[in-house]
Amino acid sequence: ETGVTQSPTHLIKTRGQQVTLRCSSQSGHNTVSWYQQALGQGPQFIFQYYREEENGRGNFPPRFSGLQFPNYSSELNVNALELDDSALYLCASSFEPGGEQYFGPGTRLTVT
Amino acid sequence: AQSVSQHNHHVILSEAASLELGCNYSYGGTVNLFWYVQYPGQHLQLLLKYFSGDPLVKGIKGFEAEFIKSKFSFNLRKPSVQWSDTAEYFCAVIYNQGGKLIFGQGTELSVKP
Repeated sequence: ETGVTQSPTHLIKTRGQQVTLRCSSQSGHNTVSWYQQALGQGPQFIFQYYREEENGRGNFPPRFSGLQFPNYSSELNVNALELDDSALYLCASSFEPGGEQYFGPGTRLTVT
Repeated sequence: AQSVSQHNHHVILSEAASLELGCNYSYGGTVNLFWYVQYPGQHLQLLLKYFSGDPLVKGIKGFEAEFIKSKFSFNLRKPSVQWSDTAEYFCAVIYNQGGKLIFGQGTELSVKP
């Protein structure tokens, strides 16, 4: 059974640029959630996708957007990057929206 | 507002000591409760979960947690810690069968050999 994978591992971008992060869900999972984890803090919920539809959103601005594909993989897009967007971005998948979530290794984004 | 609070930011123990990490959540409806662990350089792993039933749940690596509804608590325990338990521990809650995991700020556990 393949776990949750994310790419890339690390990324350095300049303020104002756009970035796309990718996530492959665990086999059999149809739900993907994205989180932002700043240094020394717990992950903060960005949004969740269930069967290709957004199924809840946290307190993040519209420049954070996402997609889920028919194979349940997902993308997180961030436009107009700001310095405060520097963080570890985590993807998690689950069998259903309220179920236990399994996390990938994350993408470390640095905005300079 | 729905929130999760972990009592200790950093806990230092010697090997074989007993561990209890506190977690409280705010009232907000029905809850699914989780403890996750993040070992150095590794990704978040699920330690244990509570959805319903017996309020004392057992997880991996000898950890257990007790759900006390009247106290809005879900404390993590282990009778005897090992050096390999050094990690960051996160309590998390899903309210009302939604998909949003709300995390506490984490507790860093350091176990001295």
